[in-house]
Amino acid sequence: AQSVTQPDIHITVSEGASLELRCNYSYGATPYLFWYVQSPGQGLQLLLKYFSGDTLVQGIKGFEAEFKRSQSSFNLRKPSVHWSDAAEYFCAVHEYGNKLVFGAGTILRVKS
Amino acid sequence: EAGVAQSPRYKIIEKRQSVAFWCNPISGHATLYWYQQILGQGPKLLIQFQNNGVVDDSQLPKDRFSAERLKGVDSTLKIQPAKLEDSAVYLCASSSGTVGYTFGSGTRLTVV
Repeated sequence: AQSVTQPDIHITVSEGASLELRCNYSYGATPYLFWYVQSPGQGLQLLLKYFSGDTLVQGIKGFEAEFKRSQSSFNLRKPSVHWSDAAEYFCAVHEYGNKLVFGAGTILRVKS
Repeated sequence: EAGVAQSPRYKIIEKRQSVAFWCNPISGHATLYWYQQILGQGPKLLIQFQNNGVVDDSQLPKDRFSAERLKGVDSTLKIQPAKLEDSAVYLCASSSGTVGYTFGSGTRLTVV
């Protein structure tokens, strides 16, 4: 079965600083990978997804992620964090049958 | 297009009581999912419907949880009787069949 690991439970960054959230997956073939964001009391919003092709994927709100097959990673990045980015971020891998397997999430705190 | 609608947003019940959640997917989406998100964890798939048929309910605790999707449109998830460990956010999502899907805002259940 596929699995997703997000090693950091909490991350705190200063507003304006760069951000990288880590995600590692286990999957036999080329995975379909996703990043979702969840604000308190809200559902999951899709930030970006990778299916194939260019390994650097651009998403909404200025986020990007890079797929590295050799490292089984799909890290999320943002060059300059805004206070409104404070939320919980989930990495997910697509499993056969159009199911998603999620990591445990990383809570991002932004300090001013 | 309208999003995935869920109700209620919040529910507090005592253990051993029953509760039901409702979901209306995006119009035309054949696939509907119910996920359980326990605090501090990523969402976990409970059940997947394709039209009005169950595709995967391997993670559904069938002794107390049930779900139906009559007429292949909206769906109801029921818990009877509820346990303390059922406290979680219950997320509904729908898909048109392409990879990835859209989530509703969820129902936060507290069992006391």
